[in-house]
Amino acid sequence: GENVEQHPSTLSVQEGDSAVIKCTYSDSASNYFPWYKQELGKRPQLIIDIRSNVGEKKDQRIAVTLNKTAKHFSLHITETQPEDSAVYFCAASIRGYSTLTFGKGTMLLVSP
Amino acid sequence: KAGVTQTPRYLIKTRGQQVTLSCSPISGHRSVSWYQQTPGQGLQFLFEYFSETQRNKGNFPGRFSGRQFSNSRSEMNVSTLELGDSALYLCASSFGQGAPNTDTQYFGPGTRLTVL
Repeated sequence: GENVEQHPSTLSVQEGDSAVIKCTYSDSASNYFPWYKQELGKRPQLIIDIRSNVGEKKDQRIAVTLNKTAKHFSLHITETQPEDSAVYFCAASIRGYSTLTFGKGTMLLVSP
Repeated sequence: KAGVTQTPRYLIKTRGQQVTLSCSPISGHRSVSWYQQTPGQGLQFLFEYFSETQRNKGNFPGRFSGRQFSNSRSEMNVSTLELGDSALYLCASSFGQGAPNTDTQYFGPGTRLTVL
């Protein structure tokens, strides 16, 4: 089955810096890659997703890049703010199959 | 549009008991997936139901089961509870039909199960 590796497990940055979280996947059939943000005690919230027919997607301060050949994808957050502090999860699935395989998560801490 | 809801939010049970958790999806969503979240194992897929049929199943023992009703609401059941079943159980809903932009999953707030 699919296996998703996520790095780093923790990331500390200063407010205004950029943050990058990287994930690799094993199943070349995977073609849908969402990112979720989970604040303490709250549900995972989708922040951005990418499908395998594109290499990059942006939404304001957040961007995701996908390299299908290398089977890795990354989340980029620019101009970080304290409210970006949370655990971020990457995931992979095959379109049409509602089975998400998650990475172990990255705890992002943004210091003022 | 109302989000995904789960009941109850918290449960305390003892070993050997069984438990039933409920999930109501976003209106119009026909797919409900269940995940177990623990500090050690992270988020792990349990199973997915679409139109009252189990469509996918994760690598969990048979003590974990589920069902889906005609209104797309779903329940999961855990029998003969073990200490290791203590976790946050999350459900997520989507349209589930494989067409573009229908596979996005939206999570409920979860049920925190503690097994003593």
